[in-house]
Amino acid sequence: SQKIEQNSEALNIQEGKTATLTCNYTNYSPAYLQWYRQDPGRGPVFLLLIRENEKEKRKERLKVTFDTTLKQSLFHITASQPADSATYLCALAPDYGGSQGNLIFGKGTKLSVKP
Amino acid sequence: NAGVTQTPKFQVLKTGQSMTLQCAQDMNHEYMSWYRQDPGMGLRLIHYSVGAGITDQGEVPNGYNVSRSTTEDFPLRLLSAAPSQTSVYFCASVKAGGWEQYFGPGTRLTVT
Repeated sequence: SQKIEQNSEALNIQEGKTATLTCNYTNYSPAYLQWYRQDPGRGPVFLLLIRENEKEKRKERLKVTFDTTLKQSLFHITASQPADSATYLCALAPDYGGSQGNLIFGKGTKLSVKP
Repeated sequence: NAGVTQTPKFQVLKTGQSMTLQCAQDMNHEYMSWYRQDPGMGLRLIHYSVGAGITDQGEVPNGYNVSRSTTEDFPLRLLSAAPSQTSVYFCASVKAGGWEQYFGPGTRLTVT
């Protein structure tokens, strides 16, 4: 069956450390993978998109990697801050080249950064 | 731009009642979607639309209807509410040629 899994439901780290979140998928061949941030009571907000031919992408303190052989994406937040505390979701389109309106989401990892 | 707006923010229904969740976007986005989010289940796609007049089913479409008569609006109709439809509902849109989904603030629905 097709699955997208985020390995940790929750991750607690100390301020200043690097947070690493994992997203694994099976039986998909996505053209790209996305990461979103969701704060309590709010809708998800887009952070980064990485394409199948990109190994790594960076945006400020965020870094995403994409290994299509391992079927895995890693999401890193360096020099983490308490304001980074949120739930982070990974998402992919189930069909290669499929509709942009059709995404499959992981269940999310709740990150807590302690001062 | 207001972005993606959803009304109402909260709603309580009795089993068997029907209602429509409203979603509108003012960004002229081509694609629109409805998701539900339940604890431990993540976001699941209900229905989506690739343009005015075109809709398709997602992962969990049963009990819901949609239509897309204009680019801006994508209402979600619950035909006969059931307690299993208690959830938080999010509408999202994507511009043509883009991939980033813009989400609305959500509607929290409780069915008793």
